[in-house]
Amino acid sequence: GQQLNQSPQSMFIQEGEDVSMNCTSSSIFNTWLWYKQDPGEGPVLLIALYKAGELTSNGRLTAQFGITRKDSFLNISASIPSDVGIYFCAGPPIGADGGSQGNLIFGKGTKLSVKP
Amino acid sequence: DAMVIQNPRYQVTQFGKPVTLSCSQTLNHNVMYWYQQKSSQAPKLLFHYYDKDFNNEADTPDNFQSRRPNTSFCFLDIRSPGLGDAAMYLCATSRRQGYEQYFGPGTRLTVT
Repeated sequence: GQQLNQSPQSMFIQEGEDVSMNCTSSSIFNTWLWYKQDPGEGPVLLIALYKAGELTSNGRLTAQFGITRKDSFLNISASIPSDVGIYFCAGPPIGADGGSQGNLIFGKGTKLSVKP
Repeated sequence: DAMVIQNPRYQVTQFGKPVTLSCSQTLNHNVMYWYQQKSSQAPKLLFHYYDKDFNNEADTPDNFQSRRPNTSFCFLDIRSPGLGDAAMYLCATSRRQGYEQYFGPGTRLTVT
């Protein structure tokens, strides 16, 4: 079945640094979703991407839908302590008709922590 | 604000004692989902309802059941919780399948 591979698995940030993470698949997607989960809370939708090449921002967050439709990137500029958490990419698989259908597939997440 | 609400946020139950978790939504979405999430893992889908049409994942244990009495509410019943069922349980909704999902804050289940 379709899988989403996220990298890096974990990373440490220092306040003020820019952060980049990505999500790749061997299959194409029509939609890419980025969620953030704080400890003890449910995932919160950050950005949704619907078109190849699309670049969308949400405050200090910017995400891109890769041209090949097999990857997506999330960048965080000028990180702050509250950016720590787990970031998940997700997307609905593509059915035989080429449309998005079925339930979301999730990556395993990228864990952001503060540098000691 | 439209939202997904889960109660309780924390639930402690004894080994083998049935427990019910609840979820409600004010988004008027057609689809509701239940996920199980264990530490540092991605959410794992247990069931979903498209309106009243119930669908469980092939690997969801028989110990887990769900009810959706109306559009707004959905329940997760664990008939005989084992120690391995301790986890965060997340409810989510979406307008349709294949669309973005909105999650509730989760219920942390502890089994003693």
